[in-house]
Amino acid sequence: DVVMTQSPDSLAVSLGERATISCKSSQSVLYSPNNENYLGWYQQKPGQPPRLLIYWASNRESGVPDRFTGSGSGTDFTLTISSLQAEDVAVYYCLQYSAIPWTFGQGTKVEIK
Amino acid sequence: EVQVVETGGALIQPGGSLTLSCAVSGFTVNDNHATWVRQAPGKGLEWLSVICAGGVTEYADSVKGRFTMSRDTSKNTLYLQMHSLRVDDTAVYYCATGWDRAKIAYWGQGTLVTVSS
Repeated sequence: DVVMTQSPDSLAVSLGERATISCKSSQSVLYSPNNENYLGWYQQKPGQPPRLLIYWASNRESGVPDRFTGSGSGTDFTLTISSLQAEDVAVYYCLQYSAIPWTFGQGTKVEIK
Repeated sequence: EVQVVETGGALIQPGGSLTLSCAVSGFTVNDNHATWVRQAPGKGLEWLSVICAGGVTEYADSVKGRFTMSRDTSKNTLYLQMHSLRVDDTAVYYCATGWDRAKIAYWGQGTLVTVSS
């Protein structure tokens, strides 16, 4: 199985500051024929289902604010929130859909400092 | 607007069976990907299964042979049949769908399955 490891497990960031979450996969999720990284990012607020933020590692889903940016390739990926807002308090998960079984990272909890 | 509604969650004894339903409106399940994901109390997300546009299904090892995912195109509904349920299957079960494996954007609110004697 592809193991997804996120870091840190939690972080506290001041309003308006940058938050950065790392996600590393145990094997590459880059599919060479189409040059796409089979990785997505999801946001989950308490009591709510997950929400898709980023797909193919760096494509922002419709309606997602542009302060959310996904980057990386191969085995190393990053989700950046450029200017943290109060409504961004949530747990963030990366998901690889390159190989069966799909696997999530353990989650990163983002709070306000 | 796309709506996804899971039903069927219940309190069930270990070893029992249960079928979850996932009714989708505003989006056709037949030609697209769909997945089931669960979340145990206070824990992270666990992927369970996927059905692809062509109808192929895949499963996590933790549920393979016990759970079966299917869809009824006439009802635009997805199902998750669960057998030999264990205490550690206790979780909120989410159904989700989207245009392809990358864009699983439409999620239900989840349905709670509690396995306990």
